[in-house]
Amino acid sequence: NAGVMQNPRHLVRRRGQEARLRCSPMKGHSHVYWYRQLPEEGLKFMVYLQKENIIDESGMPKERFSAEFPKEGPSILRIQQVVRGDSAAYFCASSRTAYNEQFFGPGTRLTVL
Amino acid sequence: SQQGEEDPQALSIQEGENATMNCSYKTSINNLQWYRQNSGRGLVHLILIRSNEREKHSGRLRVTLDTSKKSSSLLITASRAADTASYFCATEANTGTASKLTFGTGTRLQVTL
Repeated sequence: NAGVMQNPRHLVRRRGQEARLRCSPMKGHSHVYWYRQLPEEGLKFMVYLQKENIIDESGMPKERFSAEFPKEGPSILRIQQVVRGDSAAYFCASSRTAYNEQFFGPGTRLTVL
Repeated sequence: SQQGEEDPQALSIQEGENATMNCSYKTSINNLQWYRQNSGRGLVHLILIRSNEREKHSGRLRVTLDTSKKSSSLLITASRAADTASYFCATEANTGTASKLTFGTGTRLQVTL
């Protein structure tokens, strides 16, 4: 049973480009969460999705950031027109149901030049 | 202070000793989870304790929860060099709808030979 998978593991973008991060939850998990971690800090919640629905996006910046979890395929976190401040590690987690253990992927480390 | 704040920020012990980390939080919670993160890697789920539980064990790990004091502790017994990592507590608030985790800034544990 594969764990949460994220790709790419490392992503380098120049300012103004788009970054697209993918997350495949664990088998049987329909709840997906995205978190961002800045160096030497804890993780900060961004968005919580169930299949085809955004449940809570209170931690996601209103502009340039969007997330989706389509009926088929992985969850996507999209960052448009990236800026240097977007450089961080982005982690995806999944759970079978709400209020249960969240299992994390290895993260995508985004570097904006 | 923020929700899910760990204490101490850094801890250095010798192999074989016990390590205790504390976590305080502010709001009413549904559960509290402890995670381990090795440098530059993803998070590994250690243990989940629900608000109606007071203590939980998993191998060399012992977690306690005191909801009246809004605090939790993680005890690692007979520590090993491989336990060197950052440890985070994360709370899942009892909001009825959201299922996001709020992380503290972590305790950096160093276990020396």
